Amino acid sequence: EAGVTQSPTHLIKTRGQQATLRCSPISGHTSVYWYQQALGLGLQFLLWYDEGEERNRGNFPPRFSGRQFPNYSSELNVNALELEDSALYLCASSLGGPWKRGYEQYFGPGTRLTVT
Amino acid sequence: LAKTTQPISMDSYEGQEVNITCSHNNIATNDYITWYQQFPSQGPRFIIQGYKTKVTNEVASLFIPADRKSSTLSLPRVSLSDTAVYYCLVAPPSGGSYIPTFGRGTSLIVHP
Repeated sequence: EAGVTQSPTHLIKTRGQQATLRCSPISGHTSVYWYQQALGLGLQFLLWYDEGEERNRGNFPPRFSGRQFPNYSSELNVNALELEDSALYLCASSLGGPWKRGYEQYFGPGTRLTVT
Repeated sequence: LAKTTQPISMDSYEGQEVNITCSHNNIATNDYITWYQQFPSQGPRFIIQGYKTKVTNEVASLFIPADRKSSTLSLPRVSLSDTAVYYCLVAPPSGGSYIPTFGRGTSLIVHP
């Protein structure tokens, strides 16, 4: 069974530009989560999508947004990039909401975003 | 929201048993405790989850005392490949506006 996939692996952008990151969940998983992990820091929760709807959002500005498609894949958009947005962006998926399996999430390999 | 506290780092040697303790003093009655493992430049991997007493799987054991204010992840006979960051996560079982907080985790280094 294929795991969570993310693309691209690496992304280099200039300050002020927009970045689009993509995630494909494990087949059958309807929930997708996005996290940001800056160098040396823990995972910071960004967004949770389930059944095409945004269910919860972390403490991030509105320029971080996303969506979930009918096939449950998801896209994270970061507008007006700032230098501090440089980080590893991780996507995770789970069966239904995070609490249906006691918060068992499956993570992808991440997208390394570098803002110069 | 239950806040978790873990040691920043730990060192061990191959073949030893490693115990990583997570404090969660204000854990709610319905919260579950979940542990994840993360290797450099990879996403975290689910290790084990529990509610009370002891849970064991092929990878680790999780010990939770009666008051549930802490939990201990036990890795038997560690190897070099167990070098990773370990996160403790406390989460409610259903609904709400819970925001998952992984914190900085515990960096375990296993020496030869």
